[in-house]
Order: sequence, then structure tokens, then C-alpha cells
Amino acid sequence: SAVISQKPSRDICQRGTSLTIQCQVDSQVTMMFWYRQQPGQSLTLIATANQGSEATYESGFVIDKFPISRPNLTFSTLTVSNMSPEDSSIYLCSVKNGLAGGPGSSYEQYFGPGTRLTVT
Amino acid sequence: GQNIDQPTEMTATEGAIVQINCTYQTSGFNGLFWYQQHAGEAPTFLSYNVLDGLEEKGRFSSFLSRSKGYSYLLLKELQMKDSASYLCAVRVYNAGNNRKLIWGLGTSLAVNP
Repeated sequence: SAVISQKPSRDICQRGTSLTIQCQVDSQVTMMFWYRQQPGQSLTLIATANQGSEATYESGFVIDKFPISRPNLTFSTLTVSNMSPEDSSIYLCSVKNGLAGGPGSSYEQYFGPGTRLTVT
Repeated sequence: GQNIDQPTEMTATEGAIVQINCTYQTSGFNGLFWYQQHAGEAPTFLSYNVLDGLEEKGRFSSFLSRSKGYSYLLLKELQMKDSASYLCAVRVYNAGNNRKLIWGLGTSLAVNP
């Protein structure tokens, strides 16, 4: 299984500021995802982070608000821009194990510990 | 649209068996997952079904009926540590032929002594 770390684990930010969340994986993975989990709501996929190209965003999420970087196969960042209290949530990095055609499960998806963001 | 339904809360007794149901209405079905999430922690993978039938893994089993859009997670010999939220997720193909997970709201299970 992949070991995923996220920084920061939690933060309290002021309205209008931006926060960048880092996700580091201990092995190369093909797919990295960013999710949001708001209180009482299901996990919501924000975007798929693509290595070497622009992220693929889900409906309702845009690059200007949630810019994502993925410079290599083990690291990604998500920035929450121009924050408002509605952005208060847990943000989770998730990866799909194994390289394409390589060993490892092709379906298990692993999650980082999450970043708890509070916007005041 | 894509929709997943599961009960909000369930209560069971230590040592007992509990079944958590999940029904889904999705297009482009490509597998169903169950995850466990303890409070304040990340979800952890429990099971995966893509064909009809029962998959058993220790104390946990998961069942799928694709024709009925139905799955359940069966937990046997319940332990206090099984108190958690159980998330049902369906993997679907989207318009770009990529796959993504659609998540239910989760079932909060409380195991009492």
C-alpha cells in the first residue's frame, strides 16, 4: 500500500487569503486525486492531478479557485484561492496504487490523512 | 444523475452481525467499493466488487447485485473498534471515458458493549 502524507494537517486562515496543501507519496503512482469532505457531506472529487499536464476538474470546480500542480509521480499540491468560510472543509489527497501495467492493485485507492481547513 | 443511498446511522452490539445496505443509480458502472472512516481520519479501503456475488475478507464481506443496483457490507463478530462511518462508493466512467468514484454519505455505525 502507498503511504501518503499531507501538509499542513490543519490550518485556520482568513477570508481572502490562499492556502497551498502538499501531498507526498512514498512511491510512484499513476493517479492522484484531490477531494473535499465538508461536514455532513460525502467525499467530493475536486480534480484529478495529472503529471506533466493540467489537472482535470470536476463540475463545479475551476482552476482559478483550486490550482493544482503535479510536477512528478510522487508529489502534488492543491491551492485553495481567495478563501471564504464556505471553503472550510477537510481536503484529502488520494492515490491509486501501482504504475500502469505494473504490479500492485489496480483498483484500491488510498487516502492521505487530510488537511482540516477553517476559514474565518 | 448519479445517486447513492445508504442509511445514515446504525447501532449494533459487540459480537453481533450487522449488514449495511447501499443502493445506487448510476450510469457507466465499473465497480463498487466500501471504505471505513473513523472520526477524524482518512477513509481506508475495505472491499471491491465488480461482479455479482459475495466477496469475503475475514470478518467483512461485501455483496453486489448489478441488476438491482444493490450492495451490502456484512460485518461479523463486531468489535468496539468497528464503530466508524462506512462509505459506499461506485466507480463510473465519465464523459471523457475516465473513471471516477461517486461517494455515498456514509453510514455511521455505533457498536455498543
